[in-house]
Amino acid sequence: NAGVTQTPKFRVLKTGQSMTLLCAQDMNHEYMYWYRQDPGMGLRLIHYSVGEGTTAKGEVPDGYNVSRLKKQNFLLGLESAAPSQTSVYFCAIGAPNRGGQETQYFGPGTRLLVL
Amino acid sequence: QKEVEQDPGPLSVPEGAIVSLNCTYSNSAFQYFMWYRQYSRKGPELLMYTYSSGNKEDGRFTAQVDKSSKYISLFIRDSQPSDSATYLCAMTIVKAAGNKLTFGGGTRVLVKP
Repeated sequence: NAGVTQTPKFRVLKTGQSMTLLCAQDMNHEYMYWYRQDPGMGLRLIHYSVGEGTTAKGEVPDGYNVSRLKKQNFLLGLESAAPSQTSVYFCAIGAPNRGGQETQYFGPGTRLLVL
Repeated sequence: QKEVEQDPGPLSVPEGAIVSLNCTYSNSAFQYFMWYRQYSRKGPELLMYTYSSGNKEDGRFTAQVDKSSKYISLFIRDSQPSDSATYLCAMTIVKAAGNKLTFGGGTRVLVKP
């Protein structure tokens, strides 16, 4: 998975609980992304970061917060989990391809079940 | 209507057959097109990327883009059971920083021995 690790692999939460998902890269790439994947919906971008200390909203940011305090780590937080946040969460890093453009490589995913 | 449409399948083919996958899109500004393969309970894995209209070949895989029709395809020749997976198309408008990918919903492919 292109040097991208995600922690934890699986988690069960009760409605209203909070948690943080960690994405870590063992390289030095600037761009990092958080997606969620739901059946029939494909992958949808939650938040992204173009460098240490920067974050921006994606397509479905509500209910999530992120931080990029260190370049290697991108954290996704759920302050008050809801059943609608049951999903598989993927982190991706953006790396230059042979043409110099960015290509995204994904981590193994975190499965989250909110009861 | 979704920006990127992809038939969910499943698409079942016998081993050795050609697998034909496609996506249609509505945003004519998309410039950069990718295909990812995703095995069950794994992260998406990049297969191919292309910018221009026309064909791009890599081993058993051929990606085709027709920007005038807003249609992209992926062909897998000599399919193997190990090709059984979900295939996701993705596309984006190329920007200086932070390319937001728009994905199709994925097509599940089953290659039967």
